[in-house]
Amino acid sequence: GENVEQHPSTLSVQEGDSAVIKCTYSDSASNYFPWYKQELGKGPQLIIDIRSNVGEKKDQRIAVTLNKTAKHFSLHITETQPEDSAVYFCAATFSGSARQLTFGSGTQLTVLP
Amino acid sequence: EAQVTQNPRYLITVTGKKLTVTCSQNMNHEYMSWYRQDPGLGLRQIYYSMNVEVTDKGDVPEGYKVSRKEKRNFPLILESPSPNQTSLYFCASSFRGQTEAFFGQGTRLTVV
Repeated sequence: GENVEQHPSTLSVQEGDSAVIKCTYSDSASNYFPWYKQELGKGPQLIIDIRSNVGEKKDQRIAVTLNKTAKHFSLHITETQPEDSAVYFCAATFSGSARQLTFGSGTQLTVLP
Repeated sequence: EAQVTQNPRYLITVTGKKLTVTCSQNMNHEYMSWYRQDPGLGLRQIYYSMNVEVTDKGDVPEGYKVSRKEKRNFPLILESPSPNQTSLYFCASSFRGQTEAFFGQGTRLTVV
Protein backbone atom coordinates (compact mmCIF):
# COMPACT_ATOMS: atom_id res chain seq x y z
CA GLY A 1 0.00 0.00 0.00
CA GLU A 2 0.86 3.67 -0.10
CA ASN A 3 3.40 5.11 2.35
CA VAL A 4 3.86 8.85 2.82
CA GLU A 5 6.86 10.33 4.64
CA GLN A 6 6.83 13.95 5.80
CA HIS A 7 9.69 16.22 6.92
CA PRO A 8 10.43 18.07 9.09
CA SER A 9 8.36 17.08 12.10
CA THR A 10 8.76 20.55 13.62
CA LEU A 11 9.57 23.85 11.94
CA SER A 12 10.01 27.31 13.47
CA VAL A 13 10.24 30.42 11.31
CA GLN A 14 10.24 34.15 11.91
CA GLU A 15 7.12 36.03 10.93
CA GLY A 16 7.45 37.12 7.31
CA ASP A 17 9.84 34.32 6.35
CA SER A 18 8.95 31.37 4.14
CA ALA A 19 8.26 27.81 5.28
CA VAL A 20 8.69 24.63 3.26
CA ILE A 21 7.40 21.17 4.17
CA LYS A 22 8.31 18.13 2.08
CA CYS A 23 6.66 14.77 1.50
CA THR A 24 7.59 11.67 -0.42
CA TYR A 25 5.21 8.90 -1.49
CA SER A 26 5.83 5.31 -2.48
CA ASP A 27 3.01 4.33 -4.84
CA SER A 28 3.59 5.60 -8.37
CA ALA A 29 -0.16 5.20 -9.03
CA SER A 30 -0.97 8.03 -6.61
CA ASN A 31 -2.29 11.06 -8.45
CA TYR A 32 -4.00 13.26 -5.88
CA PHE A 33 -2.02 15.12 -3.21
CA PRO A 34 -3.85 17.34 -0.72
CA TRP A 35 -2.49 19.33 2.21
CA TYR A 36 -4.44 19.75 5.43
CA LYS A 37 -4.01 22.25 8.25
CA GLN A 38 -4.99 21.32 11.79
CA GLU A 39 -5.42 24.06 14.35
CA LEU A 40 -5.37 23.27 18.04
CA GLY A 41 -8.50 21.41 19.14
CA LYS A 42 -9.94 21.12 15.64
CA GLY A 43 -10.12 18.61 12.85
CA PRO A 44 -7.86 18.94 9.78
CA GLN A 45 -9.03 21.27 6.99
CA LEU A 46 -8.00 21.21 3.36
CA ILE A 47 -5.85 24.19 2.37
CA ILE A 48 -4.64 23.21 -1.10
CA ASP A 49 -4.41 20.15 -3.32
CA ILE A 50 -2.69 19.16 -6.55
CA ARG A 51 -3.32 16.47 -9.12
CA SER A 52 -0.61 14.68 -11.05
CA ASN A 53 -1.36 16.39 -14.33
CA VAL A 54 0.15 19.66 -13.03
CA GLY A 55 3.51 20.49 -11.49
CA GLU A 56 2.61 23.50 -9.38
CA LYS A 57 -0.44 25.21 -7.92
CA LYS A 58 -0.69 28.49 -6.03
CA ASP A 59 -3.33 30.07 -3.85
CA GLN A 60 -2.27 33.44 -2.49
CA ARG A 61 0.59 32.77 -0.01
CA ILE A 62 0.40 29.01 -0.35
CA ALA A 63 1.85 26.89 -3.15
CA VAL A 64 2.36 23.19 -3.74
CA THR A 65 4.87 21.63 -6.13
CA LEU A 66 4.89 18.06 -7.40
CA ASN A 67 7.75 16.04 -8.86
CA LYS A 68 6.24 12.79 -10.16
CA THR A 69 9.58 11.36 -11.25
CA ALA A 70 11.07 11.70 -7.79
CA LYS A 71 7.72 10.99 -6.11
CA HIS A 72 7.81 13.98 -3.85
CA PHE A 73 5.69 17.06 -3.29
CA SER A 74 6.15 20.16 -1.16
CA LEU A 75 4.12 22.87 0.54
CA HIS A 76 5.46 26.42 0.40
CA ILE A 77 4.08 29.18 2.61
CA THR A 78 5.40 32.68 1.95
CA GLU A 79 5.19 35.77 4.18
CA THR A 80 4.27 33.62 7.16
CA GLN A 81 1.95 35.04 9.81
CA PRO A 82 1.26 33.92 13.41
CA GLU A 83 -2.08 32.44 12.31
CA ASP A 84 -0.16 30.03 10.07
CA SER A 85 1.02 28.26 13.24
CA ALA A 86 -0.59 24.82 13.16
CA VAL A 87 0.07 21.17 12.31
CA TYR A 88 0.24 20.49 8.57
CA PHE A 89 -0.40 17.08 7.00
CA CYS A 90 0.34 15.94 3.49
CA ALA A 91 -1.60 13.05 1.98
CA ALA A 92 -1.81 10.94 -1.16
CA THR A 93 -4.28 8.70 -2.93
CA PHE A 94 -5.02 7.43 -6.42
CA SER A 95 -7.92 7.14 -8.82
CA GLY A 96 -10.28 4.35 -7.96
CA SER A 97 -9.02 4.05 -4.41
CA ALA A 98 -11.80 3.69 -1.89
CA ARG A 99 -9.49 4.37 1.02
CA GLN A 100 -9.65 8.14 0.84
CA LEU A 101 -6.23 9.27 1.97
CA THR A 102 -2.88 8.07 3.31
CA PHE A 103 -1.40 10.78 5.51
CA GLY A 104 2.11 11.82 6.43
CA SER A 105 3.10 12.10 10.09
CA GLY A 106 2.56 15.86 10.29
CA THR A 107 4.65 19.02 10.73
CA GLN A 108 4.20 21.39 13.66
CA LEU A 109 4.81 24.86 12.21
CA THR A 110 5.44 27.70 14.64
CA VAL A 111 5.65 31.26 13.36
CA LEU A 112 7.57 33.43 15.82
CA PRO A 113 6.53 37.10 16.10
CA GLU B 1 -24.10 24.39 7.54
CA ALA B 2 -22.12 21.51 6.01
CA GLN B 3 -20.51 19.53 8.76
CA VAL B 4 -19.36 16.25 10.21
CA THR B 5 -20.51 15.76 13.79
CA GLN B 6 -18.85 13.40 16.23
CA ASN B 7 -20.02 12.51 19.70
CA PRO B 8 -18.82 12.49 22.35
CA ARG B 9 -15.92 14.97 22.16
CA TYR B 10 -14.26 13.54 25.25
CA LEU B 11 -14.60 10.11 26.82
CA ILE B 12 -12.86 8.34 29.67
CA THR B 13 -13.70 4.68 30.05
CA VAL B 14 -12.40 1.50 31.65
CA THR B 15 -10.80 -1.46 29.96
CA GLY B 16 -13.34 -3.85 28.49
CA LYS B 17 -16.41 -1.63 28.62
CA LYS B 18 -17.99 -1.47 25.17
CA LEU B 19 -18.40 1.99 23.69
CA THR B 20 -19.61 3.64 20.50
CA VAL B 21 -18.46 6.92 18.97
CA THR B 22 -21.05 8.34 16.62
CA CYS B 23 -20.37 10.20 13.37
CA SER B 24 -22.93 11.93 11.20
CA GLN B 25 -22.54 14.05 8.04
CA ASN B 26 -25.14 16.25 6.34
CA MET B 27 -23.49 16.58 2.91
CA ASN B 28 -24.85 13.39 1.33
CA HIS B 29 -21.26 12.12 0.95
CA GLU B 30 -20.69 8.56 -0.18
CA TYR B 31 -17.25 8.08 1.37
CA MET B 32 -16.65 8.02 5.12
CA SER B 33 -13.62 7.04 7.18
CA TRP B 34 -12.35 6.78 10.71
CA TYR B 35 -8.81 7.82 11.63
CA ARG B 36 -6.83 7.81 14.82
CA GLN B 37 -4.20 10.44 15.51
CA ASP B 38 -1.23 9.66 17.72
CA PRO B 39 1.87 11.83 18.32
CA GLY B 40 4.51 11.28 15.65
CA LEU B 41 2.30 8.88 13.68
CA GLY B 42 -0.03 11.28 11.91
CA LEU B 43 -3.51 10.14 10.94
CA ARG B 44 -3.90 6.41 10.45
CA GLN B 45 -7.01 5.00 8.84
CA ILE B 46 -9.02 2.52 10.88
CA TYR B 47 -11.97 1.69 8.60
CA TYR B 48 -13.54 3.23 5.54
CA SER B 49 -16.82 2.98 3.68
CA MET B 50 -17.65 3.69 0.05
CA ASN B 51 -21.40 3.56 0.55
CA VAL B 52 -24.21 2.05 2.59
CA GLU B 53 -23.41 -1.51 3.69
CA VAL B 54 -19.92 -1.29 2.10
CA THR B 55 -17.07 -1.14 4.61
CA ASP B 56 -13.44 -2.23 4.61
CA LYS B 57 -10.38 -2.29 6.83
CA GLY B 58 -7.83 0.48 6.84
CA ASP B 59 -4.32 0.31 8.25
CA VAL B 60 -5.12 -0.24 11.94
CA PRO B 61 -8.51 -2.05 12.21
CA GLU B 62 -7.73 -4.41 15.11
CA GLY B 63 -10.07 -3.89 18.06
CA TYR B 64 -12.57 -1.76 16.13
CA LYS B 65 -15.85 -2.34 14.31
CA VAL B 66 -17.95 -0.08 12.11
CA SER B 67 -21.32 -0.17 10.42
CA ARG B 68 -22.91 1.86 7.62
CA LYS B 69 -26.64 1.26 7.72
CA GLU B 70 -27.49 4.78 6.59
CA LYS B 71 -25.58 7.08 4.27
CA ARG B 72 -25.20 9.85 6.84
CA ASN B 73 -24.03 7.78 9.84
CA PHE B 74 -20.82 5.83 10.40
CA PRO B 75 -20.39 4.78 14.05
CA LEU B 76 -17.12 3.42 15.44
CA ILE B 77 -17.52 0.59 17.93
CA LEU B 78 -14.93 -0.60 20.46
CA GLU B 79 -16.24 -3.92 21.76
CA SER B 80 -13.59 -4.33 24.46
CA PRO B 81 -11.44 -1.18 24.71
CA SER B 82 -7.84 -1.48 25.85
CA PRO B 83 -5.37 1.22 26.99
CA ASN B 84 -3.54 1.13 23.64
CA GLN B 85 -6.72 2.52 22.05
CA THR B 86 -6.28 5.74 23.98
CA SER B 87 -6.08 8.25 21.15
CA LEU B 88 -7.68 11.14 19.30
CA TYR B 89 -10.22 9.89 16.79
CA PHE B 90 -11.51 11.65 13.68
CA CYS B 91 -14.35 10.85 11.36
CA ALA B 92 -14.17 12.19 7.81
CA SER B 93 -16.46 12.22 4.79
CA SER B 94 -16.03 13.09 1.12
CA PHE B 95 -18.04 12.99 -2.07
CA ARG B 96 -15.52 10.65 -3.67
CA GLY B 97 -12.05 9.34 -2.87
CA GLN B 98 -10.21 12.18 -4.62
CA THR B 99 -12.21 15.10 -3.38
CA GLU B 100 -11.96 17.24 -0.26
CA ALA B 101 -12.39 15.27 2.95
CA PHE B 102 -14.33 17.02 5.70
CA PHE B 103 -13.34 16.13 9.25
CA GLY B 104 -15.26 16.13 12.47
CA GLN B 105 -13.99 17.95 15.56
CA GLY B 106 -12.47 14.81 17.01
CA THR B 107 -13.10 12.52 19.97
CA ARG B 108 -10.43 12.24 22.63
CA LEU B 109 -10.70 8.77 24.14
CA THR B 110 -8.87 7.64 27.26
CA VAL B 111 -9.03 3.98 28.30
CA VAL B 112 -7.83 3.27 31.84
